[in-house]
Parts: sequence; C-alpha cells; structure tokens
Amino acid sequence: DIQMTQSPSTLSASVGDRVTITCRASQSISSWLAWYQQKPGKAPKVLIYKASTLESGVPSRFSGSGSGTEFTLTISSLQPDDFATYYCQQYNSYSRTFGQGTKVEIK
Amino acid sequence: EVQLVESGGALVQPGGSLRLSCAASGFTFSDYWMSWVRQVSGKGLEWVANIKEDGSDKYYVDSVKGRFTISRDNAKNSLYLQMNSLRAEDTAVYYCAKDRGSNWGWFDPWGQGTLVTVSS
Repeated sequence: DIQMTQSPSTLSASVGDRVTITCRASQSISSWLAWYQQKPGKAPKVLIYKASTLESGVPSRFSGSGSGTEFTLTISSLQPDDFATYYCQQYNSYSRTFGQGTKVEIK
Repeated sequence: EVQLVESGGALVQPGGSLRLSCAASGFTFSDYWMSWVRQVSGKGLEWVANIKEDGSDKYYVDSVKGRFTISRDNAKNSLYLQMNSLRAEDTAVYYCAKDRGSNWGWFDPWGQGTLVTVSS
C-alpha cells in the first residue's frame, strides 16, 4: 500500500496567518491526491482534488499544489472557521490511503 | 441535496457479526461506485471497501478481506456492509461515501457515520 505522511501533526496559528501543510507519498501518485477538512463530530469534507482543483463552494483561500510524491495544502489567510483537522488522501490505486492528519489549533 | 444516512452501528462482542446500512438520496445512486470508510476514535481514516455501480466488482482493504462483504440494492438506493468475525480493532465510526472521479477516486459526500464498538 502507498503510505501517506503529513507534517506537521499539529500546527498552532493565528487568524490571518498563512498556513502550509505537507503530504508525502511513499511512491509517485501523479496528481491523484485529495485534501479534506474535518471538524469534531463531523464527517470529512473535500476541499481539493487532483492535487490542485478547488471543490465547488470552497473558499479561494484554500489552494493545493504538488505532484509525484510531494504535495502541499495552503490556507492563505486563516479564518476562525478553518480551525480543524486536515487529511490528504491518495487515489492512485484502488487501495486508497490517508495521511494521519494535521490539527490546526488556535495560537 | 445529496444525502447519505448510515445505520446499524452497535456494541458487539468479539467474533460477532453486524450489518451496516446506508440510505442514499438526492442523486442517481446506481450511477456511482460507493465506499465504506472508517475512523478509529480521534485517529485517522481508513478506506474499507467499495463496490461498482451494478455490484459486479468489489474491492477491500487487506485487513477485512474474508470477513466483511460490501453489497448494494439499487432499487432501494441502499449500500450495505456485512461484518463478520469482528475484532476489537474494527471498533470505529463507519462512514459511507460516494466515490468521485472514477472507480477509485476521492470521497464526496460522506454520511454522518455510525459507531461500531467491538468489546466483551
């Protein structure tokens, strides 16, 4: 299986900060990567797919980049609603796998 | 509005069985691959299984092969997960989700989840 590693595991930031989360794949996955946001007690919600395509309705402060084995999710100006846990997920093969998550906390 | 509603989660003893259901609405259910994804409390996410639009093709994560069976009833717009020989490590919130992008793409949307607890 393809292993996905996110960093950092926890991130403390303030409203207005620029935030970057990294996701690394154990082998090349081309651009077959999605990013999700999950809030406590809720199901994950997709933010970005195909590494950089913004899901309809998702604010433009979210952006994704990368290909191959290294990917990033950037929040250009952190808003109060963005404090949550973020996961990457590869879909290069039928055995889809997720990163372990990055919790974005209030500084 | 696309909606997925899971049910069937419960407390079950190790070695026991459970059947989860997912009722879909707001989209043409028979046009999409569907998946089950689970999340151990406070931990990460794990894709469990998915099934083709007509039910003719199915895939499973290695840890549940031979124990879990995914199925669907397109006439009832419903997805199922039959779980046998349950283990403590199967304890999790189970989500059903629509596959997007292809037979193995990303997941959107997700249901609200149903809790399965395996414990004596």
